[in-house]
Amino acid sequence: DAGITQSPRHKVTETGTPVTLRCHQTENHRYMYWYRQDPGHGLRLIHYSYGVKDTDKGEVSDGYSVSRSKTEDFLLTLESATSSQTSVYFCAISESGDRRVGGYTFGSGTRLTVV
Amino acid sequence: AQSVSQHNHHVILSEAASLELGCNYSYGGTVNLFWYVQYPGQHLQLLLKYFSGDPLVKGIKGFEAEFIKSKFSFNLRKPSVQWSDTAEYFCAVTSSSNTGKLIFGQGTTLQVKP
Repeated sequence: DAGITQSPRHKVTETGTPVTLRCHQTENHRYMYWYRQDPGHGLRLIHYSYGVKDTDKGEVSDGYSVSRSKTEDFLLTLESATSSQTSVYFCAISESGDRRVGGYTFGSGTRLTVV
Repeated sequence: AQSVSQHNHHVILSEAASLELGCNYSYGGTVNLFWYVQYPGQHLQLLLKYFSGDPLVKGIKGFEAEFIKSKFSFNLRKPSVQWSDTAEYFCAVTSSSNTGKLIFGQGTTLQVKP
């Protein structure tokens, strides 16, 4: 989507290996989010960031870490990938949290398969 | 526990049929409500949102939703669906009681038969 790019789009990795997904935005939005999408669960929040070096856990943060050293980049790391982390990962951005603006803008997603 | 529930997991309709997808939430405080759509192979797009004011909200592509505070509901409706409405629909909520994070329901897959 315009202004938000996720990379890679697809990745297959082996159990136990570290994996880093990248979300890059050109909108200069303060808030960034990582979600995973799984059948029957909708989208679940993994981690979010409300500014450079300011991050917090979401509802399914175990096994994941994040970093935000620049406004435009929000990295999601799977320290040691497991098969349960096979999912589609979406990044989202928001200008000022979410209560005053029209929701979030989502990236195109990263499909991760852990074998 | 605080949650967002979508009661219909899979809906199949014929073209021109009317649509109503249920969404209930259990958050307290001030809530903002959203419906997102995800077409096959694509990312989520915002259909409509409710922040305040008129509880009947009109969105894109002929969709509307009604916020009923007493029922903690925000059901999505469309009078006449088209084949191109085939997609997955997500209800989402932010609440002042959960620091404003956007929390999603499980999603409803809509299949419209031509």
